[in-house]
Amino acid sequence: VQLVESGGGLVKPGGSLRLSCVVSGFTFSSYNMNWVRQAPGKGLEWVSSISSSSSYIYYADSVKGRFTISRDNAKNSLYLQMNTLRADDAAVYYCASLTIPPAVGGMDVWGQGTTVTVSS
Amino acid sequence: QSALTQPASVSGSPGQSITISCTGTSGDVVNYNSVSWYQQHPGKAPKLMIYDVINRPSGVSNRFSGSKSGNTASLTISGLQAEDEADYYCSSYTNSRSVVFGGGTKLTVL
Repeated sequence: VQLVESGGGLVKPGGSLRLSCVVSGFTFSSYNMNWVRQAPGKGLEWVSSISSSSSYIYYADSVKGRFTISRDNAKNSLYLQMNTLRADDAAVYYCASLTIPPAVGGMDVWGQGTTVTVSS
Repeated sequence: QSALTQPASVSGSPGQSITISCTGTSGDVVNYNSVSWYQQHPGKAPKLMIYDVINRPSGVSNRFSGSKSGNTASLTISGLQAEDEADYYCSSYTNSRSVVFGGGTKLTVL
């Protein structure tokens, strides 16, 4: 099982970035996916979730209206479009999923993270 | 959704047992058996240690156990080892269909 994030980098406040997460080793189209972030020296913060068929999408209040989660099951890929970025969006962004049946709570597979820096 | 409440730090000596608490509300911990616990070493991705309150993923040592009573979930580590020194986070599904994490607990093995 492998989740590989990419797309992080340095962006100015107000700018945009698109993160990607390519998955291998499990049936991507069968599982809900999440983005979780961690600001430098801080704890984990859930950002967004998307159901296996994209029917259900949820966001943390802190990113609602600015971030958009999406997925392409044909490409085994998860995305996070981040607009109107602020300094407090700076973090390591992880994609993660729960693949243990029939578990309901937790994320057992994680990527290595991609770093987003927001600075002028 | 407010973060779950965890102690900032706990410590114990090798061989001892420690317990980390995670306090929530009726909107998360109380009404959902979806509490999970993560171990995170510096510079690494989180690792799932407990899911659905009490279950261990394959490969996780049975020294790690989870429980819940009312609005408080707990992670107990028995037979403490040096490699257990890490940050630990709890998490829960919520009634707003979101996920909430605790603030994290730094475990020091003395």
